[in-house]
Amino acid sequence: AQKVTQAQTEISVVEKEDVTLDCVYETRDTTYYLFWYKQPPSGELVFLIRRNSFDEQNEISGRYSWNFQKSTSSFNFTITASQVVDSAVYFCALSEASGYNKLIFGAGTRLAVHP
Amino acid sequence: DGGITQSPKYLFRKEGQNVTLSCEQNLNHDAMYWYRQDPGQGLRLIYYSQIVNDFQKGDIAEGYSVSREKKESFPLTVTSAQKNPTAFYLCASSMGRPPAADTQYFGPGTRLTVL
Repeated sequence: AQKVTQAQTEISVVEKEDVTLDCVYETRDTTYYLFWYKQPPSGELVFLIRRNSFDEQNEISGRYSWNFQKSTSSFNFTITASQVVDSAVYFCALSEASGYNKLIFGAGTRLAVHP
Repeated sequence: DGGITQSPKYLFRKEGQNVTLSCEQNLNHDAMYWYRQDPGQGLRLIYYSQIVNDFQKGDIAEGYSVSREKKESFPLTVTSAQKNPTAFYLCASSMGRPPAADTQYFGPGTRLTVL
């Protein structure tokens, strides 16, 4: 069965700290995609990254980086030198090749960055 | 500007009433989706449509109905049969490429409250 687990419900950090958001997924498909979305207080989900199951290279985009490890079924997200504007709920999601583009979401991690 | 619009932003409904949530996109996307978000939870798929005049039930379709008469529009009706409709509703769209290789982009959401 497909499932996405974000075990951290809430994380609180002080500005400039590094923070890692964990994501563990379950799937029987060999072809699948993993996503991260950001939901600021306004409510709209903002797409951050898509990674396919055949590409385990880590990715860096500015202060954001993602670590994909198939061996542990994890797709973790790290924010370096966090800022107050990073405060949001972050969702990890899974899409399976057999599931026609259906996104399976984790419950989300609420990140609060304090000045 | 290209994007997804949802209206209204806030909606109040009396018990027993049907209400319709609007979703419009000008991204020329073929696929559109409706999700429901409850506090502290991830998003759950209500309905999706891959092409005009076609739509499929998602995981929690009971008490909801949709139509897809135009490529740009995918309205959601919350009927009186939906027992607990108070939630945040998000519409998304994607290009509709082959299964799983597609990124969904989200609108700003509609917050529905039943009085």
